[in-house]
Amino acid sequence: QVHLVQSGAEVKKPGASVKVSCKASGYTFTNYGIGWVRQVPGQGLEWMGWVTGYNGNTNYAPKFQDRVTLTTDTSTSTAYMEVRSLTSDDTAVYYCARSSLSQVGLVGPWGQGTLVTVSS
Amino acid sequence: DIVMTQSPDSLAVSLGERATINCKSSQSVLYSSNNKSYLAWHQQKPGQPPKLLISWASIRESGVPDRFSGSGSGTDFTLTISSLQAEDVAVYCCQQYYTTPSFGQGTKLEIK
Repeated sequence: QVHLVQSGAEVKKPGASVKVSCKASGYTFTNYGIGWVRQVPGQGLEWMGWVTGYNGNTNYAPKFQDRVTLTTDTSTSTAYMEVRSLTSDDTAVYYCARSSLSQVGLVGPWGQGTLVTVSS
Repeated sequence: DIVMTQSPDSLAVSLGERATINCKSSQSVLYSSNNKSYLAWHQQKPGQPPKLLISWASIRESGVPDRFSGSGSGTDFTLTISSLQAEDVAVYCCQQYYTTPSFGQGTKLEIK
């Protein structure tokens, strides 16, 4: 059974960075990618980017290209998302989801989500 | 960027009745070389992460009840729940993965 477990909620000040982890189990990590999607409270879903499980290749949405870094650790089947220069607009629930290697944007199953709150 | 627009924004349906949610993309998500539409549907129950229900416009994920069906091609798509159950109360969201992925705004489905 595919399972993605994310790190816990974070509270950050404006200008800081945050790093969220996503530990995968129940499948061969290197045969898939991990996509990251965020959901601002009360709003829709927004795709941020994707990283492969086997060589760390990435694909970012243009909006996040300059502030987001996606990485993986194959030894622990864990993916990471770092967002820099946080503002209050980055307050959201951040989700990881398994993604096909051939179809970058096809995501599922999803992690439980990590709430990141940016507040002074 | 491809903009996904769903209708209606909210919907109330009686138990056992049919629910229909529409999704329109601002440009075609049909790839002509394989005749596949790059369109998925996700279900998000209150307080839970999304769940992938349907990919390729009409292919149900493993374990998804057959009362859920997806149809459409190109720019116009439909998610149908043939006989609404109480556990289907959720927000339903379409998503294209033809280019940089984008999601619809969501349709909130409630019991009438």
